[in-house]
Amino acid sequence: AQTVTQSQPEMSVQEAETVTLSCTYDTSESDYYLFWYKQPPSRQMILVIRQEAYKQQNATENRFSVNFQKAAKSFSLKISDSQLGDAAMYFCAYRTRGADGLTFGKGTHLIIQP
Amino acid sequence: GAVVSQHPSWVICKSGTSVKIECRSLDFQATTMFWYRQFPKQSLMLMATSNEGSKATYEQGVEKDKFLINHASLTLSTLTVTSAHPEDSSFYICSARDPWTGVNTEAFFGQGTRLTVV
Repeated sequence: AQTVTQSQPEMSVQEAETVTLSCTYDTSESDYYLFWYKQPPSRQMILVIRQEAYKQQNATENRFSVNFQKAAKSFSLKISDSQLGDAAMYFCAYRTRGADGLTFGKGTHLIIQP
Repeated sequence: GAVVSQHPSWVICKSGTSVKIECRSLDFQATTMFWYRQFPKQSLMLMATSNEGSKATYEQGVEKDKFLINHASLTLSTLTVTSAHPEDSSFYICSARDPWTGVNTEAFFGQGTRLTVV
């Protein structure tokens, strides 16, 4: 079974600084998708960024970028120029190409210090 | 992005009663929807995959007779918690994928339902 591990229960960063959230996963599949979701206090899940495993290039969405290391099964999220609105729970998630549901990590609570 | 609406947002029910939660795809037809459960300050756990016109597929450890899933149309899936008990209190979230944008796109999530059983 696939597992997703987020080893940082909580992270804190100063506003405008950069922070990196860690995620590792375990799978025997070669073709899969990785995601970072944001869950603010409203609890609405919001997609931050996605990465296809077959793509070597790291995905980027404005201030959010990932460092995808397929061999190491690592998928970290970098948030640049942190803003107060970035404060939330961040979940790393995995899905195989053909599968349906997502496997989530336990989440990292990101605190933004003004 | 596509919109998934979940209703109700919160519900309180008495122990032993049943409660139904609806998940609707508002601007697309979803052949497959997913139900997750999230305990306080914990992660989302996939409960079941709901397939339109067929039986749901439950994850290991999820009681299918307790959590009844019906996906009678391409825009609506329902989760019924039967004979609810306080331990069923949780946050339930549905998601759906728009098949017209490709099978490999991300899923869109509903806003979730907070269930409290007293």
